[in-house]
Amino acid sequence: AQKITQTQPGMFVQEKEAVTLDCTYDTSDPSYGLFWYKQPSSGEMIFLIYQGSYDQQNATEGRYSLNFQKARKSANLVISASQLGDSAMYFCAMREGPGNYGGATNKLIFGTGTLLAVQP
Amino acid sequence: DGGITQSPKYLFRKEGQNVTLSCEQNLNHDAMYWYRQDPGQGLRLIYYSQIVNDFQKGDIAEGYSVSREKKESFPLTVTSAQKNPTAFYLCASSMGSLSVMVDTEAFFGQGTRLTVV
Repeated sequence: AQKITQTQPGMFVQEKEAVTLDCTYDTSDPSYGLFWYKQPSSGEMIFLIYQGSYDQQNATEGRYSLNFQKARKSANLVISASQLGDSAMYFCAMREGPGNYGGATNKLIFGTGTLLAVQP
Repeated sequence: DGGITQSPKYLFRKEGQNVTLSCEQNLNHDAMYWYRQDPGQGLRLIYYSQIVNDFQKGDIAEGYSVSREKKESFPLTVTSAQKNPTAFYLCASSMGSLSVMVDTEAFFGQGTRLTVV
């Protein structure tokens, strides 16, 4: 069954340091997509980064990078040079079967999230 | 500008009443989703739809109903059968893999905060 696990309920990081948020997933579908979202206290969901299961390289978007280890089924988010504005809830998500005509469920599920607090 | 709109932002309901949350998108997306978020918790999938006139139950569908009569609209009804409906509800949409051979992120509305009084 499709499942996303985030084992860190909360984390602290000093401003300007790097931080890694953990995410593991479980799926039997060879084709899937992994996403990270940021949710500030305002409640909006902000897309950060995407990794496809067939992508050979780890995804990067500015200060965000995704450490994709397919054999271990992990998709950790790395935030470099943390800023005070990075303080928020972070969610890992997965959708099975992108790119499969007629065969995908499009079911998009989320982990329980990690609350990141950046300290000055 | 394209986007996804949820209304209302805040909603109060008396116990025993049904209430409908609106979700509209003009992104021409095939897939739409409804999630429930409780304080300090993650997003739990209520219902999702891959295409017009089709939808599937998510992990917590009991006490909720949806319809998908138009591509751009995916309203959620919280029925009186939902025992604990007070929560933050998020609607999302994305290009489904039924349409294209690439995956894209889901776009979210601003959410509706439902309170039972």
